Amino acid sequence: GAVVSQHPSWVICKSGTSVKIECRSLDFQATTMFWYRQFPKQSLMLMATSNEGSKATYEQGVEKDKFLINHASLTLSTLTVTSAHPEDSSFYICSARTTTGGWKTQYFGPGTRLLVL
Amino acid sequence: GEDVEQSLFLSVREGDSSVINCTYTDSSSTYLYWYKQEPGAGLQLLTYIFSNMDMKQDQRLTVLLNKKDKHLSLRIADTQTGDSAIYFCAEASVSSGSARQLTFGSGTQLTVLP
Repeated sequence: GAVVSQHPSWVICKSGTSVKIECRSLDFQATTMFWYRQFPKQSLMLMATSNEGSKATYEQGVEKDKFLINHASLTLSTLTVTSAHPEDSSFYICSARTTTGGWKTQYFGPGTRLLVL
Repeated sequence: GEDVEQSLFLSVREGDSSVINCTYTDSSSTYLYWYKQEPGAGLQLLTYIFSNMDMKQDQRLTVLLNKKDKHLSLRIADTQTGDSAIYFCAEASVSSGSARQLTFGSGTQLTVLP
């Protein structure tokens, strides 16, 4: 089946630094990638949707200058948390949708756990 | 906006059946999904059902959809300890953009007791 990878799987950083998380579709092309945030014991909240070659669409309440998303190719999207603060600590999950499959073919990465000290 | 609700916890004995319930509000939902999340991991798609279906069976999994009541359930037969995880239901709904996106429920923590 289709595989989505994320790197790093976990990261600890100091407050004020920026952190980049990569999301890759390993064996398929993804025109659309999604970034979610998950707090402990809670559901996934969609942060933004990115389409290859165009600007990301952010959900209401998500600061686009804080969470920079780049979807540079059909297999790679990056999320950069700029000037991270402890409240940004969370589990970030990306998801990729294939070019041909429609809604049902959305695959999820294993997630990246971010801890900001 | 769209809302998807689930009960938070379910405990069953190994070998019994598990039934996880979900309600949703978006009447335009076309696909409804069940995902499984194991500790520290991303989501694994278990199964999905199209809104014009009442039931879908896939090995130990049975999905029932009551579109009138907007109620979805996932039944796991012969539940095993490896089934212990968080189960999310999700619907494909229209967001502020043009693309349909997934709205997730809060997740049901399934604990299987030996």
